[in-house]
Amino acid sequence: DTEVTQTPKHLVMGMTNKKSLKCEQHMGHRAMYWYKQKAKKPPELMFVYSYEKLSINESVPSRFSPECPNSSLLNLHLHALQPEDSALYLCASSQDFEDAAERDTIYFGEGSWLTVV
Amino acid sequence: DQQVKQNSPSLSVQEGRISILNCDYTNSMFDYFLWYKKYPAEGPTFLISISSIKDKNEDGRFTVFLNKSAKHLSLHIVPSQPGDSAVYFCAASAHPGGGNKLTFGTGTQLKVEL
Repeated sequence: DTEVTQTPKHLVMGMTNKKSLKCEQHMGHRAMYWYKQKAKKPPELMFVYSYEKLSINESVPSRFSPECPNSSLLNLHLHALQPEDSALYLCASSQDFEDAAERDTIYFGEGSWLTVV
Repeated sequence: DQQVKQNSPSLSVQEGRISILNCDYTNSMFDYFLWYKKYPAEGPTFLISISSIKDKNEDGRFTVFLNKSAKHLSLHIVPSQPGDSAVYFCAASAHPGGGNKLTFGTGTQLKVEL
């Protein structure tokens, strides 16, 4: 079962709202990722968690706040977003991030479509 | 600076024929390459990968070729089927230090026609 589940599938929020995107995987993966994808563009890495610790933050604005409550869950807290933050937010997971000796595959969820109005 | 490039934004192929999608990269540290397929409104689905120690990897109808000296890889789909119509992204990662941090190409829209 190679499934990464994301909720909600669609979210519309105002610029003053606080909302969260959620992601869950039950594959025993120890690395989890948030990517952002704008229309007709490739996915862009935002954050990486490895063994529940933030490993990479690709200079993402602080209005995006990731959280990894346990090895199966990954949240992205959203606050004071701008209309240009509207995009598809993709969660992904893989077996391991630090152990680069063994290459493994990153599995993506179906994404959460975010619209900021 | 686009380190992974897919210079063909779109490709149209007849059903049953071969589809060849190309990808070029500039970062010589990349040592692991993946192809993903993406339908509209869905997340990318992993198709096939190749390590830089190989020059070919095959999985059913999908074959990936890697030419390290040219910094070029290609995905061959044969025979092509209408359900293959989607956007195809190539992605690359670097080791050591890169872990599984993927850099994606800009994608190629494949249309398989009846």
